[in-house]
Amino acid sequence: QLVVTQSPSASASLGASVKLTCTLSSGHSSFAIAWHQQQPERGPRYLMKVNSDGSHTKGDGIPDRFSGSSSGAERYLTISSLQSEDEADYYCQSWGSGIQVFGGGTKLTVL
Amino acid sequence: EVQVLESGGGLVQPGGSLRLSCAASGFTFSSFAMNWVRQAPGKGLEWVSSFYGIYGSTFYADSMKGRFTLSRDSSKNTLYLQMNSLRAEDTAVYYCAKSSGPDRGYLDLWGRGTLVTVSP
Repeated sequence: QLVVTQSPSASASLGASVKLTCTLSSGHSSFAIAWHQQQPERGPRYLMKVNSDGSHTKGDGIPDRFSGSSSGAERYLTISSLQSEDEADYYCQSWGSGIQVFGGGTKLTVL
Repeated sequence: EVQVLESGGGLVQPGGSLRLSCAASGFTFSSFAMNWVRQAPGKGLEWVSSFYGIYGSTFYADSMKGRFTLSRDSSKNTLYLQMNSLRAEDTAVYYCAKSSGPDRGYLDLWGRGTLVTVSP
């Protein structure tokens, strides 16, 4: 069964970098995932797709500060030069035939 | 402008029905799968249903099967979600989202959502 798992929270200082992790369930380590950002009181926004080889495809207008990478069953979202507006919930999403799955989300606090 | 816009949310009593609409613009609607995702108050994102573009196949999360029905009117570039036998736990913001391709794939465009409240 396809499942994606995220840590519930993360924090980092203004101007620093942070790396969020999304872990695919056993048997699904070759799957791609997508990252989505949800700022407070707003709908989600697509950030990027991250493939198993670490290549990634960003959405329109997503700053270069956002990047993706992979290692085994883990998919990462790295945000550098953190800004206050990066404080948000970040969701990873994967998919199969006739199904979409979401992680529980990581709440990022910018200190 | 490429966008999707939801409508149709509101307050409904338990056991009642509601139909949500998702109007798409700026892209070839029939060439992409479309999805509904919901978010209960203070909770994370939960996939509800998907409509695959090429063959018109529909898929539902287990808790929605038999109660929710997805349909599409390509002449109006609109996706519909008919929700019956609504329960308190269906209370959520419902988002429409476009897929990256005609069937399985990641979600690359989200709407602003429409709130559904199920309460006596």
